[in-house]
Amino acid sequence: QKEVEQDPGPLSVPEGAIVSLNCTYSNSAFQYFMWYRQYSRKGPELLMYTYSSGNKEDGRFTAQVDKSSKYISLFIRDSQPSDSATYLCAMRGSARQLTFGSGTQLTVLP
Amino acid sequence: GAGVSQSPSNKVTEKGKDVELRCDPISGHTALYWYRQSLGQGLEFLIYFQGNSAPDKSGLPSDRFSAERTGGSVSTLTIQRTQQEDSAVYLCAIQENTEAFFGQGTRLTVV
Repeated sequence: QKEVEQDPGPLSVPEGAIVSLNCTYSNSAFQYFMWYRQYSRKGPELLMYTYSSGNKEDGRFTAQVDKSSKYISLFIRDSQPSDSATYLCAMRGSARQLTFGSGTQLTVLP
Repeated sequence: GAGVSQSPSNKVTEKGKDVELRCDPISGHTALYWYRQSLGQGLEFLIYFQGNSAPDKSGLPSDRFSAERTGGSVSTLTIQRTQQEDSAVYLCAIQENTEAFFGQGTRLTVV
């Protein structure tokens, strides 16, 4: 069993929809949680970062962490075609390297 | 990505050949990572360099893989006797506090 599980999709939504992306994890030592966005043939870029449990909002994006359930989410409001990409969750504990989910491929249709 | 340059962008090699992938951080970050991304998969940690400390090699999949970092800057990842399962995108990243900045990667295809 992988330490981080993420539904690979693909997920296709109409423009303006609310998108919900999720990951579950098994390592209770994880305390730093991130979402990366990766466009085709590009390196991942950091979208959101959350420490421990709670919510964080940045524009149209909201990240949620529920450590008791070992579950993290990324919500995208008013989705745009430019949001079409692969979204990767990532997390770490005391170790410096990140453990990634497999990524969810999102397409927002105009 | 900003701050990390990788070369080559693409590499096609014959099975059994050795390849060398290069990562050149633009600024002097002490922490440098190599990850591998296979088709449809997330990123898999390979190796981590931090200053003058011994590198963390715990993610290297076999002894055919090695990496070095010279002068605390440029890093090279070497794969000896390449196999078809080595085909993947190899990504280099630098880390600033909690944020990792990735290069565009080298897409390696072993034929």
